[in-house]
Amino acid sequence: GAVVSQHPSRVICKSGTSVKIECRSLDFQATTMFWYRQFPKQSLMLMATSNEGSKATYEQGVEKDKFLINHASLTLSTLTVTSAHPEDSSFYICSARPQGTGNEKLFFGSGTQLSVL
Amino acid sequence: QKEVEQNSGPLSVPEGAIASLNCTYSDRVSQSFFWYRQYSGKSPELIMSIYSNGDKEDGRFTAQLNKASQYVSLLIRDSQPSDSATYLCAADEAAGNKLTFGGGTRVLVKP
Repeated sequence: GAVVSQHPSRVICKSGTSVKIECRSLDFQATTMFWYRQFPKQSLMLMATSNEGSKATYEQGVEKDKFLINHASLTLSTLTVTSAHPEDSSFYICSARPQGTGNEKLFFGSGTQLSVL
Repeated sequence: QKEVEQNSGPLSVPEGAIASLNCTYSDRVSQSFFWYRQYSGKSPELIMSIYSNGDKEDGRFTAQLNKASQYVSLLIRDSQPSDSATYLCAADEAAGNKLTFGGGTRVLVKP
């Protein structure tokens, strides 16, 4: 089946540094990818919709200057957490679906556990 | 604001019993509904999708949808310890639209 690869799986960084997370669709092209954040024992909260070749669409309350999204190709989207702080520590998950399909074909990456010291 | 609500649990069921999970949604225009299973520290995996009123069965899982009551449920028959996980309900407005997730129900299946 379709696979979405997310890297790194875990990152620990110092406060004030930036962290880049990659999300790749391995065997399909995705014009749209989604980025979520999940705090412990809470649900997935959509942060932004990443659109290939254009600006990402951010959800209300998500700072676009802090969470930079780049979707430079049909198989890669990146999320950069800039100037990370301890409150940014969370589980970040991406998802993607093949072009022309609906959410029944939505595949999730394995997630990135970010810990900011 | 669109909302999807679930009881957080934990829902404790003995092995072999039926686990019944409920989900309500606020947006009447929601058309597609999904149940995901998520193990701790892992990403969600799709169990069932349902689009029409009524029941949909797939193996030990049955999803039920009632659009008039804005209610979706998931039954897990012959529950196994490996079913212990958090189950997320999600809804979208139309095919391909972004999903809104519920808070998840934690299920514990005791041997």
